[in-house]
Amino acid sequence: EVQLLESGGGLVQPGGSLRLSCAASGFTFSSYAMSWVRQAPGKGLEWVSALSGNGDSTYYADSVKGRSAISRDNSKNTLYLQMNSLRAEDTAMYYCAKDNKDNWLVDIWGQGTMVTVSS
Amino acid sequence: DIQMTQSPSSVSASVGDRVTITCRASQGISSWLAWYQQKPGKAPKLLIHTASSLQSGVPSRFSGSGYGTDFTLTISSLQPEDFATYYCQQANSFPLTFGGGTKVEIK
Repeated sequence: EVQLLESGGGLVQPGGSLRLSCAASGFTFSSYAMSWVRQAPGKGLEWVSALSGNGDSTYYADSVKGRSAISRDNSKNTLYLQMNSLRAEDTAMYYCAKDNKDNWLVDIWGQGTMVTVSS
Repeated sequence: DIQMTQSPSSVSASVGDRVTITCRASQGISSWLAWYQQKPGKAPKLLIHTASSLQSGVPSRFSGSGYGTDFTLTISSLQPEDFATYYCQQANSFPLTFGGGTKVEIK
């Protein structure tokens, strides 16, 4: 069974940092691009960042560019999102997402990890 | 950036009704569009990819159509488990963008 399990969320003060992790299983992780998508409480979905299967290509939303870094360790089947200089508006559920078929559409979502930025 | 505009933002319908949700892209996106269903407290679920391809395991009452800038998700006969929020997403270019969502509520 294909599974994505996020971790690393929590309460952090404004200006702080967090590293989110996503452990993948049930598929050949290195063959698929991956993304992070977030959802603020009561709001819609917002794409955050994406990474190609080999890790060579990265993409970021303007809202996190310069403050975040996406990476992957294909030997550990794990995706990461390092988030720095966190702001209140970064408060959201963060979902790890698997690419469908090299088309940047998502076919599998994790259950999410909640990030709350507050003093 | 490509803006995705969904309509309506909410719809009230009864079990058995035909429901149609539209998504318009601010510029052409070919067939690089997906539809997702999200229930409260749950992660989204892929229904349709590449505009009209039904994801494996998704009931055939769901269908998608469209190309370029105008797309439609149709639920042919609404079932109790279909009450949820639906989102479209374009993958033609970065940044990837989602529509604002359509909440399907019980009439």
